[in-house]
Amino acid sequence: AQSVTQPDIHITVSEGASLELRCNYSYGATPYLFWYVQSPGQGLQLLLKYFSGDTLVQGIKGFEAEFKRSQSSFNLRKPSVHWSDAAEYFCAVGAGYGGATNKLIFGTGTLLAVQP
Amino acid sequence: DAGVIQSPRHEVTEMGQEVTLRCKPISGHNSLFWYRQTMMRGLELLIYFNNNVPIDDSGMPEDRFSAKMPNASFSTLKIQPSEPRDSAVYFCASSFRTGGQPQHFGDGTRLSIL
Repeated sequence: AQSVTQPDIHITVSEGASLELRCNYSYGATPYLFWYVQSPGQGLQLLLKYFSGDTLVQGIKGFEAEFKRSQSSFNLRKPSVHWSDAAEYFCAVGAGYGGATNKLIFGTGTLLAVQP
Repeated sequence: DAGVIQSPRHEVTEMGQEVTLRCKPISGHNSLFWYRQTMMRGLELLIYFNNNVPIDDSGMPEDRFSAKMPNASFSTLKIQPSEPRDSAVYFCASSFRTGGQPQHFGDGTRLSIL
């Protein structure tokens, strides 16, 4: 069965420091992978997505993620964190085979705190 | 462009009352998803529709929950009767039907059952 693991529940970084949020997935075929961000009181906003091709994908707000098939990982990175990046981040994998379903499986989220 | 619109944003009601949550998906999207988010259980998929037809309702907690999509631009999630354990944030999301498409979320309805 498909699954997504985000091993870090909470992460605290200093403003200006680099960031890496981990995501591991379990999926039998080439996955569709997504990162979403949720600010307090808001819905989930799409940061970036991976379908195929270049394994390094760029997203909004200066985020990027790298797909590593050998490690079943899709980690999210940002070179310099801003205070406004404090939020909860969710990794998701597209379930189903050959587009048979567009259901997403979400990880449990990583809550990011940014210290001044 | 208008995103996914949910109403109401907040609902407070007493146990036993009927609750109806509403969602208007993005125009042109033909898949619609209802989620529930709580601290204890995280984000749970309740049900999703493709072309207004329910495809997977295995996440609906019990018979007190029902969802409908009478047309491509409107869906409801109803809880009757409501219980305190139903208190959560309920999200609606929509996407194109094609596999692998990202889902676009509304801002949610924060439901409190007293």
